[in-house]
Amino acid sequence: EDQVTQSPEALRLQEGESSSLNCSYTVSGLRGLFWYRQDPGKGPEFLFTLYSAGEEKEKERLKATLTKKESFLHITAPKPEDSATYLCAVQGTLNYGGSQGNLIFGKGTKLSVKP
Amino acid sequence: KAGVTQTPRYLIKTRGQQVTLSCSPISGHRSVSWYQQTPGQGLQFLFEYFSETQRNKGNFPGRFSGRQFSNSRSEMNVSTLELGDSALYLCASSWTGLNTEAFFGQGTRLTVV
Repeated sequence: EDQVTQSPEALRLQEGESSSLNCSYTVSGLRGLFWYRQDPGKGPEFLFTLYSAGEEKEKERLKATLTKKESFLHITAPKPEDSATYLCAVQGTLNYGGSQGNLIFGKGTKLSVKP
Repeated sequence: KAGVTQTPRYLIKTRGQQVTLSCSPISGHRSVSWYQQTPGQGLQFLFEYFSETQRNKGNFPGRFSGRQFSNSRSEMNVSTLELGDSALYLCASSWTGLNTEAFFGQGTRLTVV
């Protein structure tokens, strides 16, 4: 069964204190791994897609990396406006018994950045 | 470029009633997926429509159904509402639903009393 586990569940950082969020996954054939940011009461906002091990993508203070079993979201010198829940999702290959193309989400990491 | 639009934003219904939620995808996107988000279970996949056909379905009871129109707009229906159906219902659109980014709407907050 396809599944995604994110850690930690919650993370408190001081402004400027860099850290990483982890996303471990099990999927029968990875089509893509997706990172989203979600603010309270809003829909998830797309951040990155990673397709193969070794791939990296960056956007402002965020950098996502991918291995065959996990992905990391590195946050460099975070600011209070980076506070949100970060969601990781995988999409598996069609015709497998798992996600069959839809997104399987982890429970998320709630990030709080204090000034 | 307009994003994904979901209506209504908030709904309060009574147990036993039925409800219909609407989703207008990004122009040109042909895949629309629906997800239920609750604090305990997180985001769970309901179903996906592509070119008016249900292509994929999650593990939800038959009370949850949907459809897609020729303009790619989608509706989701829940019949015989239960208290446990209270959740944020999210719609996501993408070009093909495979290997492409999915963009979410703001969601419909459904409260069943």
